[in-house]
Amino acid sequence: ETGVTQSPTHLIKTRGQQVTLRCSSQSGHNTVSWYQQALGQGPQFIFQYYREEENGRGNFPPRFSGLQFPNYSSELNVNALELDDSALYLCASRNNIPSSYNEQFFGPGTRLTVL
Amino acid sequence: DQQVKQNSPSLSVQEGRISILNCDYTNSMFDYFLWYKKYPAEGPTFLISISSIKDKNEDGRFTVFLNKSAKHLSLHIVPSQPGDSAVYFCAASAESSGNTGKLIFGQGTTLQVKP
Repeated sequence: ETGVTQSPTHLIKTRGQQVTLRCSSQSGHNTVSWYQQALGQGPQFIFQYYREEENGRGNFPPRFSGLQFPNYSSELNVNALELDDSALYLCASRNNIPSSYNEQFFGPGTRLTVL
Repeated sequence: DQQVKQNSPSLSVQEGRISILNCDYTNSMFDYFLWYKKYPAEGPTFLISISSIKDKNEDGRFTVFLNKSAKHLSLHIVPSQPGDSAVYFCAASAESSGNTGKLIFGQGTTLQVKP
């Protein structure tokens, strides 16, 4: 069973640029969520994708967008990067089974630095 | 507003003793709670979960207790081992109200287990 993988591991961008982060969900999982973890804080929910559609969003501006593909992999896109976007970006996957509780499994994260 | 709080930033215990990590929440709609462990440069690893219909769940050395009236949960690790040294995050979600997959995390507690 393959776990959640993310790429790249590290990334350095400058303010105003755009970035795309990638995630491959764990085998058998159909739902992907993205989180932002600032230094010294817990992860914050950005959004979730299920069946290729956004299915829940946290308190993040529209310049944070995403995609989910038929193979359940996902992308997080951030436009017009700001210094405060510097953080660890975590992808998590789970199998969305109605009427049951299903834990999310996290990837190792992408460390984004905005200069 | 911080809906999930871990008021102790750090905890130090001796190997073999019990570690107790605490978490408080404010949203009465939360019905599913999880604990994750995080090592540096890795994503959070799922440890144990509990739904609101239970007040205790046990898995090996890890036990989670839920006190709904106090909106409080705790993670007990017995006996503590040096390999347990990590940052522990408490997370909650309101699965029954449609916010499936949206985990709200606490700020984390750094546990150090001394040999």
